[in-house]
Amino acid sequence: DAKTTQPPSMDCAEGRAANLPCNHSTISGNEYVYWYRQIHSQGPQYIIHGLKNNETNEMASLIITEDRKSSTLILPHATLRDTAVYYCIVRLLPMYSGGGADGLTFGKGTHLIIQP
Amino acid sequence: AAGVIQSPRHLIKEKRETATLKCYPIPRHDTVYWYQQGPGQDPQFLISFYEKMQSDKGSIPDRFSAQQFSDYHSELNMSSLELGDSALYFCASSSGTGDLKDEQFFGPGTRLTVL
Repeated sequence: DAKTTQPPSMDCAEGRAANLPCNHSTISGNEYVYWYRQIHSQGPQYIIHGLKNNETNEMASLIITEDRKSSTLILPHATLRDTAVYYCIVRLLPMYSGGGADGLTFGKGTHLIIQP
Repeated sequence: AAGVIQSPRHLIKEKRETATLKCYPIPRHDTVYWYQQGPGQDPQFLISFYEKMQSDKGSIPDRFSAQQFSDYHSELNMSSLELGDSALYFCASSSGTGDLKDEQFFGPGTRLTVL
């Protein structure tokens, strides 16, 4: 899996959009960008994933650059409950990795702190 | 909605003892993953099972073993416990390789303390 780089921490005011960047310059053609988050000591939680098109769901939006070397996770209206460590993970879908149940490789992540 | 169940939630053991952690996946999920998260560290993948067969292996020590049973629940067995094994152990489940989203659903974790 390609390596990712994220800022160690970020602050955001409550109610504003939180934009979390991730660099993945060695991403390969079949690798997807996944985002998970971990609220203090809870199990990580899936947020969103994408290949090359921008994606949006009820939690967030994912913007992937045209060259796919970086992406941004956007939380449109951050709340205090969004304070967590956010992990950007690059990985193959099982259909491209031989069908195995591959584990997630968590990097250092970004500690997002939402300020009241 | 049903979530991943882990038991026990807390476990205290002495050095050199053994421990068994259990994981019950979301109904109809056939894939289970184990992760270890030491204090102040990021989760580290240990091992996974798909349809009761070991699928992927991460940084699991030789003292640890795991299996998935016919009802898809999984157990992580840890022997000759060391102080450094003190950590949160998360189990996750997913609905198998046919799921295009390949989302892993994590349980609440088991906090193991080795004294």
